[in-house]
Amino acid sequence: DAGVIQSPRHEVTEMGQEVTLRCKPISGHDYLFWYRQTMMRGLELLIYFNNNVPIDDSGMPEDRFSAKMPNASFSTLKIQPSEPRDSAVYFCASSSGRGQPQHFGDGTRLSIL
Amino acid sequence: GESVGLHLPTLSVQEGDNSIINCAYSNSASDYFIWYKQESGKGPQFIIDIRSNMDKRQGQRVTVLLNKTVKHLSLQIAATQPGDSAVYFCAENPYSGGYQKVTFGIGTKLQVIP
Repeated sequence: DAGVIQSPRHEVTEMGQEVTLRCKPISGHDYLFWYRQTMMRGLELLIYFNNNVPIDDSGMPEDRFSAKMPNASFSTLKIQPSEPRDSAVYFCASSSGRGQPQHFGDGTRLSIL
Repeated sequence: GESVGLHLPTLSVQEGDNSIINCAYSNSASDYFIWYKQESGKGPQFIIDIRSNMDKRQGQRVTVLLNKTVKHLSLQIAATQPGDSAVYFCAENPYSGGYQKVTFGIGTKLQVIP
């Protein structure tokens, strides 16, 4: 079975540019999560969706970050404008519900110059 | 310059020995716990989970122990192999009252010495 698929795997761009990260969750999973991982702060939850609806976005750093889930098989995380401090590995995960493990993609390594 | 960041606890184990990775959780309302393994350049990979109505669960070469009294979780890996080298995270999730956020620990780095 296909796992969570993220693209791109690596992104290098200059500050001020718009960055869009993409995620395809595991088919049938109702929950989708976006995380950011840095050496300084570890793994942080940014936002999660249930049935395509954002439930908790309290982890989104600021208005420059936005996330959408237009359908059950696709989600995006957008940063506009990007800043060097946004450099991190961004993970998407999905799960089938409460009391079930989250399954992670292999992440997007983002570098903002 | 010197890098600043989280200082992961590191456990070094001889190949073939058993490994025990410990984790203290914080929320007494948490009743679902998960262990993840993260290899370099990859996302966290689910290893094993346990619910609060259990104190032990076994998988293939792995065992998770839960002590709710002291809010402690451990992961035991039998006959540790070089492929077990990775960062291991425990995660806690309060189960009741709707889906709650999963909280991840900072991780423990396991180094297997051949």
